[in-house]
Amino acid sequence: DIQMTQSPSTLSASVGDRVTITCRASQGISNYLAWFQQKPGKAPKSLIYGASTLHSGVPSKFSGSGSGTDFTLTISGLQPEDFATYYCQQYKSYPYTFGQGTKLEIK
Amino acid sequence: QVQLVESGGGVVQPGKSLRLSCAASGFTFSIYPMHWVRQAPGKGLEWVALVSFDGGNKYYADSVKGRLTISRDNSKNILYLEMNSLRPEDTAVYYCARRQDFDFWGQGTLVTVSS
Repeated sequence: DIQMTQSPSTLSASVGDRVTITCRASQGISNYLAWFQQKPGKAPKSLIYGASTLHSGVPSKFSGSGSGTDFTLTISGLQPEDFATYYCQQYKSYPYTFGQGTKLEIK
Repeated sequence: QVQLVESGGGVVQPGKSLRLSCAASGFTFSIYPMHWVRQAPGKGLEWVALVSFDGGNKYYADSVKGRLTISRDNSKNILYLEMNSLRPEDTAVYYCARRQDFDFWGQGTLVTVSS
């Protein structure tokens, strides 16, 4: 199975900051990488697929990059509604696997 | 607009069975692969299973293989998850999601396995 490792597990930031979350795959997954945002008590929301393509309606403050084994999610100009937990996920091979999540907290 | 609505969750005793449903609307259900994903209380997301657009191919997480069965009825636009021999560790919110890259998610249904 492909292991997905996110870092950091928790990230403290202030409104207006720019932050980066890293996701590493245990083996190459090309660009079969998605990012999700989840708020407490809510379903995950899809942000990015194909490592760098934003889903329709997702603001351009979110950006993704990477290929192979190393990927990043960057969020610029943090707003209160951006504080949530973020997950990466590979859909290159079965079983599909998620990272453990990164909780973005207000400093 | 795209809608996925899960139902069928509840409290069930260990060893018992349950069937979850995911009703799809607002898109052509029959052309998309569909997933089930679960989240145990306070934990991260775990992929459970995928069914191809026509139901011909199914893939499972090792943790559920042989106990949970994914299926779909394209005439009714419904995705199913048949859950047998349930264990306490199956307690989770179960979400359905569309497409290989999980572009849309339902709101989830809670399954609690407890005596």
